[in-house]
Amino acid sequence: KNEVEQSPQNLTAQEGEFITINCSYSVGISALHWLQQHPGGGIVSLFMLSSGKKKHGRLIATINIQEKHSSLHITASHPRDSAVYICAVRGSQGNLIFGKGTKLSVKP
Amino acid sequence: KAGVTQTPRYLIKTRGQQVTLSCSPISGHRSVSWYQQTPGQGLQFLFEYFSETQRNKGNFPGRFSGRQFSNSRSEMNVSTLELGDSALYLCASSLDGPTSGNTIYFGEGSWLTVV
Repeated sequence: KNEVEQSPQNLTAQEGEFITINCSYSVGISALHWLQQHPGGGIVSLFMLSSGKKKHGRLIATINIQEKHSSLHITASHPRDSAVYICAVRGSQGNLIFGKGTKLSVKP
Repeated sequence: KAGVTQTPRYLIKTRGQQVTLSCSPISGHRSVSWYQQTPGQGLQFLFEYFSETQRNKGNFPGRFSGRQFSNSRSEMNVSTLELGDSALYLCASSLDGPTSGNTIYFGEGSWLTVV
C-alpha cells in the first residue's frame, strides 16, 4: 500500500462544477503540499499545510491531521484548471513522499 | 526574477553511459532538491542539498549522486545508465528546503531517455 493515496485517479468535470480531490496518508507528517502539474512537466506549488485550511482564489485546501486526510477543492472550475494535481507529504526524515496524482479534465 | 533553470531540457543516452544534469535555483535560494518522475512510479524524492551539503536522501542506488556549489547551483549525476532511468528529472529550489515552511519552486525538468 502506498504511503500517500489520492482519489480519484482521473476526474472529468464540466466548466463551473465544484471539484474535490482527496489525499490520505499513513505516515506521520509535519506538513502536506498540493502541487499542480501541467502537460509538459512544469510543477507549481499550490499550498503547504500543517493544519486547518488555506484559500487562494478559487482553490481551497484543508487538512485533518487526526484523520490523516487532506482535500483540495476547486470552485467554479475552468478548462484552464485541467492538470494533474499531486499531494505530497513531508515525512519524519525530511523527504517528500508523493501521491500518484489526480488527472483533472474540465470540459467547456 | 528568473525561475529555476534546468539544463539540458531533453537528452538521449545509451545504456552504460553517465549523465550530468544541471539546476540553477532562484537567486537567494540555498536549498535545491531533486526528483525523478516516471509513469510507473510517479514522483520520487532523490536528494536535497543545502549550503553545499546533502541534507536528505531518498531511496535510490548509489549510481545517483549530486552536489551543490557555493553559488547554490546544483548538479546531479547518474552513472551506468539503465533503461529504467528514463524519466523526467525535476529540480526545485526554496529558501530553506522542502521541509521548511517556504514555498518550493520547480524547474521545467530534464527529460532523459536511455536507449
